Amino acid sequence: GAVVSQHPSWVICKSGTSVKIECRSLDFQATTMFWYRQFPKQSLMLMATSNEGSKATYEQGVEKDKFLINHASLTLSTLTVTSAHPEDSSFYICSAPAGPASINYEQYFGPGTRLTVT
Amino acid sequence: LAKTTQPISMDSYEGQEVNITCSHNNIATNDYITWYQQFPSQGPRFIIQGYKTKVTNEVASLFIPADRKSSTLSLPRVSLSDTAVYYCLVGESTDKLIFGTGTRLQVFP
Repeated sequence: GAVVSQHPSWVICKSGTSVKIECRSLDFQATTMFWYRQFPKQSLMLMATSNEGSKATYEQGVEKDKFLINHASLTLSTLTVTSAHPEDSSFYICSAPAGPASINYEQYFGPGTRLTVT
Repeated sequence: LAKTTQPISMDSYEGQEVNITCSHNNIATNDYITWYQQFPSQGPRFIIQGYKTKVTNEVASLFIPADRKSSTLSLPRVSLSDTAVYYCLVGESTDKLIFGTGTRLQVFP
């Protein structure tokens, strides 16, 4: 089946630095991708919708200048956490809707990226 | 976007059937009902999807009554490896998904 990959799978960075997380659809094209954040023992929280060729749409309360999203191609979306702080430490997950070849109208999720800010 | 309500947690024993019910009173005509499974430190994984009546695959069954205001995920003969969080989501294929609390299933030996 279709696969969504994320890179890196985990990253540790110092406070004040920026970190880029990549989300790729490996065998299908995705004009739309979604970014989620998940804190321990909590549910996934939608951060933003990444749109190929246009600006991302952010959910209420998510700082667009802090979480920069770029959807440069039909298979790649990136999330950059700028000036990271310890409270940004979380599990970041992306997803992409299944293409027309899928028999289900599902979304494919990446394996997640564990960000730890020290 | 239809909101969903599920039990926070459930316990079961190996070999038993587990039924997790989800309430989605405001489901729209074009919405599908999809269930995902998530293990710790992993992305959610698709389990099953349906629009109405009953759907069965190699992993689970999904029961949807005629009014579609609820759905029940049925896991036959669970094993320890089925311990996970199960999310019920409602929406169209390209919709952003709003996750509820999910149901934390703990399977005991």
